[in-house]
Amino acid sequence: AQKVTQAQTEISVVEKEDVTLDCVYETRDTTYYLFWYKQPPSGELVFLIRRNSFDEQNEISGRYSWNFQKSTSSFNFTITASQVVDSAVYFCALIAPQAAGNKLTFGGGTRVLVKP
Amino acid sequence: GAGVSQSPSNKVTEKGKDVELRCDPISGHTALYWYRQRLGQGLEFLIYFQGNSAPDKSGLPSDRFSAERTGESVSTLTIQRTQQEDSAVYLCASSSRDYQNEQYFGPGTRLTVT
Repeated sequence: AQKVTQAQTEISVVEKEDVTLDCVYETRDTTYYLFWYKQPPSGELVFLIRRNSFDEQNEISGRYSWNFQKSTSSFNFTITASQVVDSAVYFCALIAPQAAGNKLTFGGGTRVLVKP
Repeated sequence: GAGVSQSPSNKVTEKGKDVELRCDPISGHTALYWYRQRLGQGLEFLIYFQGNSAPDKSGLPSDRFSAERTGESVSTLTIQRTQQEDSAVYLCASSSRDYQNEQYFGPGTRLTVT
C-alpha cells in the first residue's frame, strides 16, 4: 500500500528563520511521483512542485528547496528565510500509478506558523 | 485562464437529506478528481474520471456517495442520506495528462451536516 508520513504536525518559527518539513513515503512502484502542496488559510491547495522517481536532482525555487533521497524514501522541503506569508499547512503527496492509479495519496500535513 | 471552480462554496444540510456538489474543471483538462478533507486532517481520495474510461471509484466511502461527469466537463458529486460524519470540505481537482501533470485544485465546498 502507498503511504506518506509527515511526522511534524506543527512547526512555529520566527520570521527569517529557515524551516524544514519532513516527508517519508512508502511504495513498491518503481516509477512514482512526489508532490508538495501549500494550503494557506484561505483553504485552496496550491501546487508547489512535482518530482519524478527517476530524477533525484534537488531543486531550488526562490526561497524554496527540495531534497529528494530515494535511499531513505524522503522528499523534504525547506523554506529559507521564512516570511509571515509562508504560514500555511503544507502537504506532501504521492502518485504510485502501478499500484494505485492516478490518485494522490496525501500525508497528514504540517502546519507552519511564521511569527513576525 | 479560469481555474477549477466549485459550487456551492458552503452548504449546510440536515441529516438525512441529499446534497449535490458541482465541479467545473479547467477547460481542456481530461482528468477530474474528487477528494475529501475532514477538519484538521489530510485529504482522502474519493473518485477519479479520465476521458471516456470507467471512473476509479475505489475511494468512495459508502454507496451513499456517487459521482457523474458529463464528457470532459462538469462533474457532480452526490451524497444521499447525509450523515454528520460526511461534514468536510470536498475538493475537486483537474489535470491535463493523467498523473504526469500536476493536479490543480478548486476552492472546495464546505459541507456541514447538522
